[in-house]
Amino acid sequence: DTEVTQTPKHLVMGMTNKKSLKCEQHMGHRAMYWYKQKAKKPPELMFVYSYEKLSINESVPSRFSPECPNSSLLNLHLHALQPEDSALYLCASQDLFGQGAKRGTEAFFGQGTRLTVV
Amino acid sequence: GDSVTQMEGPVTLSEEAFLTINCTYTATGYPSLFWYVQYPGEGLQLLLKATKADDKGSNKGFEATYRKETTSFHLEKGSVQVSDSAVYFCALKSNFGNEKLTFGTGTRLTIIP
Repeated sequence: DTEVTQTPKHLVMGMTNKKSLKCEQHMGHRAMYWYKQKAKKPPELMFVYSYEKLSINESVPSRFSPECPNSSLLNLHLHALQPEDSALYLCASQDLFGQGAKRGTEAFFGQGTRLTVV
Repeated sequence: GDSVTQMEGPVTLSEEAFLTINCTYTATGYPSLFWYVQYPGEGLQLLLKATKADDKGSNKGFEATYRKETTSFHLEKGSVQVSDSAVYFCALKSNFGNEKLTFGTGTRLTIIP
C-alpha cells in the first residue's frame, strides 16, 4: 500500500466555521507533512511532523492547527479562515531513518483537499 | 539556502515531439533530486529521482541525469503523448537529514494531437 489518503476531497466552509482535514497512510512512514498549493504555484510547506512531534512550522497563522494523533494519521484543524486561504491542501509522508530522512527517499503525496472559504 | 530554478512555461508541443524541461539547483553537499508530476485536479506523483552524481532516473519514457558539474537535472522524453499533459515540478532534498522538499515553480506542459 503506497497510498496517502486525504478526506474530504472538496470542502466549502464559511469564515466562522470550524472544520478538519484528515490524512492517513499505512506505509510506516514517520514523517508527515501539510502543504498548501495555490493555483499555478508549487506546493508551500506548512508543517512537518517527525515521530509524531511537530518539527517544522513554517510560520503558519494560528487559524491552522495541525495534530498528529498517531503515526498513521495527520489532521489539520481549520478555524476562522479567510477567503485567501482557499487552496489545495496536500498531505505527504516520508520514511525516516534515525534523526532525519533516509537519503534518496521520496515523499508520497495524497490527492489533496480542495478548500474554498466563502 | 537551497533553491530550484525551473524552465518557465507553459510549454506546448505536438504529439511525438521531443521534450526537454530544464532544471538547475543550488544546494550544499549532495542533495537528492526529484521530478514530480501533477495531473489536473490531482496531487503530486513521483515521476523519477536520482540520489547521486551521474545517476539517471527514468520512468514512463522520461529520463533525467544528475549533473553535479552543471548542477542540473533536466527532464527529457523522446516522444510525448497527449496523456503527458500535466504540470512538472523539479525538487530537491538536502542530504543533511532535512525532511524538507524544495520545489521549483513548475512547468505546465500541453501536448496537442
